[in-house]
Amino acid sequence: GQQLNQSPQSMFIQEGEDVSMNCTSSSIFNTWLWYKQDPGEGPVLLIALYKAGELTSNGRLTAQFGITRKDSFLNISASIPSDVGIYFCAGHDYGGSQGNLIFGKGTKLSVKP
Amino acid sequence: AAGVIQSPRHLIKEKRETATLKCYPIPRHDTVYWYQQGPGQDPQFLISFYEKMQSDKGSIPDRFSAQQFSDYHSELNMSSLELGDSALYFCASSLVRVGGNIGELFFGEGSRLTVL
Repeated sequence: GQQLNQSPQSMFIQEGEDVSMNCTSSSIFNTWLWYKQDPGEGPVLLIALYKAGELTSNGRLTAQFGITRKDSFLNISASIPSDVGIYFCAGHDYGGSQGNLIFGKGTKLSVKP
Repeated sequence: AAGVIQSPRHLIKEKRETATLKCYPIPRHDTVYWYQQGPGQDPQFLISFYEKMQSDKGSIPDRFSAQQFSDYHSELNMSSLELGDSALYFCASSLVRVGGNIGELFFGEGSRLTVL
């Protein structure tokens, strides 16, 4: 089946630094979603991307839908302690069924004040 | 704004018992999804419903079943519970976009099931 490769697995950065993480797929996706999850909580939607090449910002977060439709990246600028958490990319293949949202393995972000 | 509501938040069961989780989607959302997330894992898709009809099936065990009711709430029924069923169970809802694209999934807070 389809798989998403998300990297890096974890990051430990200093407050104020910029962060970049990405996901790649072996097949084409029509939707990329980026989520943040705190321990024991549900994933919270950060950014949704629907078109190849689309670049979308949400505050200090910027995400792009790759031109090839097989990848996406998420950047966080000027990180702050509350950015700590696990970030998941998720993709949907329109050729599949409506419920087939596939998640990456997550990037665990730690921020040192 | 109203979010996805799940209950109970925590549930402790013995092996071989049954459990039922409930989900109330965001009003006017037409699709409900169930995901299972083990410790340190990414969410795994179980099953989804579109307009109260089963839409897609993922890695849902035969011991589990789910349905969506006329008021759009959904229930996940788990029988013959095993230790490995201990996990966070998330419900998500979305509104299918024009053209059939999946839309944005909004997740509930999850139900933590512990099987002893």
